[in-house]
Amino acid sequence: GENVEQHPSTLSVQEGDSAVIKCTYSDSASNYFPWYKQELGKGPQLIIDIRSNVGEKKDQRIAVTLNKTAKHFSLHITETQPEDSAVYFCAAGHPFNDYKLSFGAGTTVTVRA
Amino acid sequence: DVKVTQSSRYLVKRTGEKVFLECVQDMDHENMFWYRQDPGLGLRLIYFSYDVKMKEKGDIPEGYSVSREKKERFSLILESASTNQTSMYLCASKGGGSYSYEQYFGPGTRLTVT
Repeated sequence: GENVEQHPSTLSVQEGDSAVIKCTYSDSASNYFPWYKQELGKGPQLIIDIRSNVGEKKDQRIAVTLNKTAKHFSLHITETQPEDSAVYFCAAGHPFNDYKLSFGAGTTVTVRA
Repeated sequence: DVKVTQSSRYLVKRTGEKVFLECVQDMDHENMFWYRQDPGLGLRLIYFSYDVKMKEKGDIPEGYSVSREKKERFSLILESASTNQTSMYLCASKGGGSYSYEQYFGPGTRLTVT
């Protein structure tokens, strides 16, 4: 099955700096890569996703890049704010299993004021 | 907005008890999932259902069963709870069809088995 590895496990950044989280996946059939944000006491919520027909996608301060050859993808958060503090999960899915997702272990991001 | 609700936020049970975790979604989604979340392990799929009365095992089904009698409701059952089932349990739903990708999660149930 698919194996998704995520690094780092914790990340502390100064407010206003950038944060980068990296993930690798093992199944070359995977073609859907979402990122979920989990705030304290809540369930994960989709913040951005990318499909394998594009290499980069941006939504305001967050962006995701994908390198299919190397089988890795990354989340970039610019101009971090205190409300960006949360646990972030990457995941991978593909159509052959109806896009059931395999998740990374998560990254706890802390934005220092 | 899609809403996924779980019956309890916190639950404390004794070893050997039968435990029911309930999940309800209001978006008429075909697919529903039960995950277990543990520190350092991320979200691991226990079971999923792609239609009423249909279910498939996920990555860690041992010690769990599920029931889906109605489209909006998906139950996770621990037949005989054990301490290693102490965890956060998350339910999610997803629409059917080729272009439905996003999973919508409930707030989670933190289960403690003593």
